[in-house]
Amino acid sequence: EVQLVESGGGLVQPGGSLRLSCAASGFTFSNYWMHWVRQAPGKGLVWVSRINNDATGTSYADSVKGRFTISRDNARKTLYLQMNSLRAEDAAVYFCASGRRAFDIWGQGTMVTVSS
Amino acid sequence: DIQMTQSPSSLSASVGDRVSITCRASQNIGSYLAWYQQKAGKAPKLLIYGASSLQSGVPSRFSGSGSVTYFTLTISSLQPEDFATYYCQQTYTTLVGYTFGQGTKLEIK
Repeated sequence: EVQLVESGGGLVQPGGSLRLSCAASGFTFSNYWMHWVRQAPGKGLVWVSRINNDATGTSYADSVKGRFTISRDNARKTLYLQMNSLRAEDAAVYFCASGRRAFDIWGQGTMVTVSS
Repeated sequence: DIQMTQSPSSLSASVGDRVSITCRASQNIGSYLAWYQQKAGKAPKLLIYGASSLQSGVPSRFSGSGSVTYFTLTISSLQPEDFATYYCQQTYTTLVGYTFGQGTKLEIK
């Protein structure tokens, strides 16, 4: 079964850090670009970041550039998102996603809460 | 950045109705447009890619059309399970991100 499973979410204080993970199974992880997408409570989907299949290229939304770092370990079939200097507006469910022509593989999401 | 604008933001309709949702891109994206359905508390589900290609397993009552800057998602005969929020997404370039539209909430009349 093709599957993505996120973990690492939780409560963090403003200015703090958190690392999200996304474990892949059921497909050849190393062949796919991977993405993070977030959704604040009651709001729409926002693309956050992507990494190409061999980790030689990344891109970020302006809102997270310089604070978030995407990475991957193809041997472990795992995607990561290191989030630093977290702000209240970063609070959201974070999804990892992938696919050839669009995002046809999604995880269930992990919740990040930023509050003192 | 490429901006994606959906309309309407919300829509009330009845079972059996034919409904359409539009999505406009701020620049030419060819046919690099996807549509997703999201139900409360769930991950989005891909419906359409390449503007008009139906994702495997998606019912044929869903269809997509358009190119360049104007796109449409049509549901030919609404079923109870179709009441959800729908998003368009440009997949033209990751240089500025695969931008989503703001969403259209489809509710039961």
